[in-house]
Amino acid sequence: GAGVSQSPSNKVTEKGKDVELRCDPISGHTALYWYRQSLGQGLEFLIYFQGNSAPDKSGLPSDRFSAERTGGSVSTLTIQRTQQEDSAVYLCASSGGGGTYEQYFGPGTRLTVT
Amino acid sequence: AQSVSQHNHHVILSEAASLELGCNYSYGGTVNLFWYVQYPGQHLQLLLKYFSGDPLVKGIKGFEAEFIKSKFSFNLRKPSVQWSDTAEYFCAVHGSSNTGKLIFGQGTTLQVKP
Repeated sequence: GAGVSQSPSNKVTEKGKDVELRCDPISGHTALYWYRQSLGQGLEFLIYFQGNSAPDKSGLPSDRFSAERTGGSVSTLTIQRTQQEDSAVYLCASSGGGGTYEQYFGPGTRLTVT
Repeated sequence: AQSVSQHNHHVILSEAASLELGCNYSYGGTVNLFWYVQYPGQHLQLLLKYFSGDPLVKGIKGFEAEFIKSKFSFNLRKPSVQWSDTAEYFCAVHGSSNTGKLIFGQGTTLQVKP
């Protein structure tokens, strides 16, 4: 079956603009995660969804970052007023939840803020 | 706070050499442990995982890892590497008392020379 998909694959934006990144998890997976991969910082957790609620938002770096999930499926990560330090690869992962902890990762969105 | 430490940042081996990548974690409770691999230009893939039971776990492509609870370690091994093993390897921990997020090590870049 289909894996986790993300769009766009690449996004170049000007400093100060807002961007939206999309994640389509594996069908039936109740848990969804966003991570960020950047040089020097490695892989960092951003936010976790169980269904449509986000019980753990502890990794969001500032209030410019927000995310939502609708219908227990698609998730959107929004970055407002982008800064150059937001440049990174944003990864989405999903898992079946319910005691299943294996996460399946998407290909990521490479964000470049100029 | 939970953390994961990978001792080797960049490893260069010749084909057929043996591989061991170190991983230590800090977490006092029950943990689930993972090794992920990212081949050049590809997304993160699960290599192997430990949830419980036999502390020696076998994964794909001939990789194995040993969980040593007393040492808080989960080292990755392969008896004989191939050029196709060139990739970045990430150790990660999922503490059972948290909400599902993975804490990753900084990653180890493995370069296998033909």
